Amino acid sequence: AQKITQTQPGMFVQEKEAVTLDCTYDTSDQSYGLFWYKQPSSGEMIFLIYQGSYDEQNATEGRYSLNFQKARKSANLVISASQLGDSAMYFCAMRGPYNTDKLIFGTGTRLQVFP
Amino acid sequence: GAGVSQSPRYKVAKRGQDVALRCDPISGHVSLFWYQQALGQGPEFLTYFQNEAQLDKSGLPSDRFFAERPEGSVSTLKIQRTQQEDSAVYLCASSPADGGRTQYFGPGTRLLVL
Repeated sequence: AQKITQTQPGMFVQEKEAVTLDCTYDTSDQSYGLFWYKQPSSGEMIFLIYQGSYDEQNATEGRYSLNFQKARKSANLVISASQLGDSAMYFCAMRGPYNTDKLIFGTGTRLQVFP
Repeated sequence: GAGVSQSPRYKVAKRGQDVALRCDPISGHVSLFWYQQALGQGPEFLTYFQNEAQLDKSGLPSDRFFAERPEGSVSTLKIQRTQQEDSAVYLCASSPADGGRTQYFGPGTRLLVL
């Protein structure tokens, strides 16, 4: 069965510093996708970044990058130059192969950015 | 452009009441998903539609939960005879048929069963 593990319940980072949020996954599938979502206190899940299992390059989207280490089954999110507005819950999620589009989520990491 | 919308945003129900939660996906999105998010947890999959066909309902916790998408656009999640354990945020997401299968989420409906 597929599983996502996020071991950091909470993280603190100072404004303008970089922070890494950990995510490990477990799957026996060869084809899968990994996602990171941000959930502010308003509740909406905001898509941040996607990495396909066959992508050779690490995904980047602005200040977000995904450190994908396939052999270690890890997909850590790196946020550079943190901003106060980055304070939120962050969820790592995995999608299975083409016949299974549902997302499996981790338990999340609460990030707090302080001035 | 318009994102996924959900209504109502908040719903308080007495135990035993039926509730209906609505989701309007992004226009043209083929796939629609429902998730349940308990307090302090990550979302958990409930059910999935491709157009009007319900392809996966393996996550529905009991036969009190029912979802439909009769015309392949708007979807309704119905919970009959609500119980206190049904209290959660219900998230709807949609994704296009191509261009990657990223799911875009609505703001959720927060259900409280008293």
